[in-house]
Amino acid sequence: VQLVESGGGLVRPGGSLRLTCSASGFTFSSRALHWVRQAPGKGLEYVSSISSNGGSTNYPDSVKGRITIFRDNSKNTLYLQMSSLRPEDTAVYYCVRGGDDTLDPFDIWGQGTTVTVSS
Amino acid sequence: DIQMTQSPSSLSASVGDRVTITCRASQGISNYVAWFQQKPGKAPKSLIYAASSLQSGVPSKFSGSGSGTDFTLTISSLQPEDFATYYCQQYAIYPLTFGGGTKVEIK
Repeated sequence: VQLVESGGGLVRPGGSLRLTCSASGFTFSSRALHWVRQAPGKGLEYVSSISSNGGSTNYPDSVKGRITIFRDNSKNTLYLQMSSLRPEDTAVYYCVRGGDDTLDPFDIWGQGTTVTVSS
Repeated sequence: DIQMTQSPSSLSASVGDRVTITCRASQGISNYVAWFQQKPGKAPKSLIYAASSLQSGVPSKFSGSGSGTDFTLTISSLQPEDFATYYCQQYAIYPLTFGGGTKVEIK
C-alpha cells in the first residue's frame, strides 16, 4: 500500500496549484481519502475529504471556496486543486487513506509534498 | 468545531518510563479518536483508532483508552524509537480536528 504525493512547489500569493496523490497496492475506488497539511514547525491541520465514489466532499472553513478535492478512480489518483493561495497555506500536504466511509479512521499516510506561497 | 486539547505539550522522559498523554474533546465524541506518531522530517504514522484499537503492526506497548470527552495514550515502556511528537484526532464530526501535539523528549 502506497500513497505518493507530487505537485508541490513555490507559488506567488493569489496563485494556483494542483497537488496529486498516486495510490497503489489497494482497491482505490473503495476508500475515502483525505488531505492534511502541516505548516513549518506547527501541528497537523485537516484540509479536505472525499468519499470513495467522489460524490461527497468536506472542507474546513479555512480553505472552503479556495480548495477543491477530487479523484479519478480509473487512474487511482487523488487531486487537490488550490487557488487564491495565501502565505498561510505554506505547508507540507499529506494524502491520507481512510476507510469505506469518510468518517472512518485514517490509516496510511503519504510522504507529503511541500507547498510554499511567497512573493 | 470540536476542539481537541492535548496535554502536556511536551514532556521529558527516560528509556523504560511509562508515559501518558491526554486529550480532551470540547464535546462528547463517543470513541471516535485516533492517535498518530510523527518523527522529525517524516510523515505521521497511525497508531490507534476507535480510542483503543491498535493499527496493524503497531506494538502492544502503545495503548489507548477513553470515551466521551477524555482520552489517553499510554506508552508502557519508552524506547529510543518512541521519542517523537504524538497527536490525537477526532473523527466523529466534520471538520476533523487534531490536538496540538505532545513532544516526547529524552531526559
